[in-house]
Amino acid sequence: GENVEQHPSTLSVQEGDSAVIKCTYSDSASNYFPWYKQELGKRPQLIIDIRSNVGEKKDQRIAVTLNKTAKHFSLHITETQPEDSAVYFCAAILNSGGYQKVTFGTGTKLQVIP
Amino acid sequence: EPEVTQTPSHQVTQMGQEVILRCVPISNHLYFYWYRQILGQKVEFLVSFYNNEISEKSEIFDDQFSVERPDGSNFTLKIRSTKLEDSAMYFCASSVVGGSYEQYFGPGTRLTVT
Repeated sequence: GENVEQHPSTLSVQEGDSAVIKCTYSDSASNYFPWYKQELGKRPQLIIDIRSNVGEKKDQRIAVTLNKTAKHFSLHITETQPEDSAVYFCAAILNSGGYQKVTFGTGTKLQVIP
Repeated sequence: EPEVTQTPSHQVTQMGQEVILRCVPISNHLYFYWYRQILGQKVEFLVSFYNNEISEKSEIFDDQFSVERPDGSNFTLKIRSTKLEDSAMYFCASSVVGGSYEQYFGPGTRLTVT
């Protein structure tokens, strides 16, 4: 089955600096890679996603890159702000017709220090 | 903006009892999911459901678990005989289409088994 590894498990950055979180996956058939932000006690919320036919996607301060050959994808947050502090989860989804397999990474606790 | 809703927000039950967790997905969504998150750990996929049947389930989703869409709006997760290790936050999610499309998460039900 799919295995998703996520690093680092914790990350502290100064406000204004960049943060990078990396995930690797094992199943080359996975074709959709969302990133979720989860604040304490709240539901995961999608912040950005990328499909397997795209190498990079950007939305304001957030970007995701995907390297299908190496089977890894990364989340980049620039100009971090204290409200970016949360746990971030990557996920790898294999979608084929009506069949889906969803595997989450282990999470990264990001702390942005004012 | 439409949201996925879940009831109850917190359920306390004794070991061996049956529980039913309820979800109301977004009305035009066709794919439904249940996830589990043990406190401080990652989100774990349990099951996906489409066209009134399970499309995929994980190893966690054993014979103690079942899902149902009893009417046009509700989606339920039943645990037949709860164990202590079933204590977790259970999230429901839905998406318009499966796979490479955003899943919207509900606020979760915290299940405590004593």
